[in-house]
Amino acid sequence: NAGVTQTPKFRVLKTGQSMTLLCAQDMNHEYMYWYRQDPGMGLRLIHYSVGEGTTAKGEVPDGYNVSRLKKQNFLLGLESAAPSQTSVYFCASSRAASGGETQYFGPGTRLLVL
Amino acid sequence: EDQVTQSPEALRLQEGESSSLNCSYTVSGLRGLFWYRQDPGKGPEFLFTLYSAGEEKEKERLKATLTKKESFLHITAPKPEDSATYLCAALGGSNYKLTFGKGTLLTVNP
Repeated sequence: NAGVTQTPKFRVLKTGQSMTLLCAQDMNHEYMYWYRQDPGMGLRLIHYSVGEGTTAKGEVPDGYNVSRLKKQNFLLGLESAAPSQTSVYFCASSRAASGGETQYFGPGTRLLVL
Repeated sequence: EDQVTQSPEALRLQEGESSSLNCSYTVSGLRGLFWYRQDPGKGPEFLFTLYSAGEEKEKERLKATLTKKESFLHITAPKPEDSATYLCAALGGSNYKLTFGKGTLLTVNP
């Protein structure tokens, strides 16, 4: 039982390049989330999904797109990377949100945009 | 707007010196207060969930408590391996967004 895994662990991009971050969970969780963590800012929600085929915007969605084609996977895309997107990205999953269910986090992807 | 404030930002303790971390929250309709531990270069690791005022949970040297406005993470006789950043987060209202505090960096010296 691997929990939440993220690919890749580290990536360097040039401004304007695109990339996709992959998140996978093997806990059969309905809800999945993408966060970014920046020094002094704490964790901020980018996008989330309440089930296969559904996505919604979080607190800081601009410049990102997401897809949830399979229940176990949640993809985060950057169409045209900017230096402001340099950050550490965490994926999380939970059984549900309505009952205050715990979110379990992956190990993170460190992204540097030059 | 939901807010979570953690204090202090950093705390340095000697091994065995007990202390508490504070998490103040302003959340409408609290549905859960969460504590996580984060080691450098790692993702947040779940510690506790508290749901109602008066609730307490313990795990080894850690005990989390909850009031209507605050949560405390008490650390009893800490060891160097307890050194980490401790994050507090609140889930409230009818949305799905966890509001995180900025964390407390705990350093325990041997």
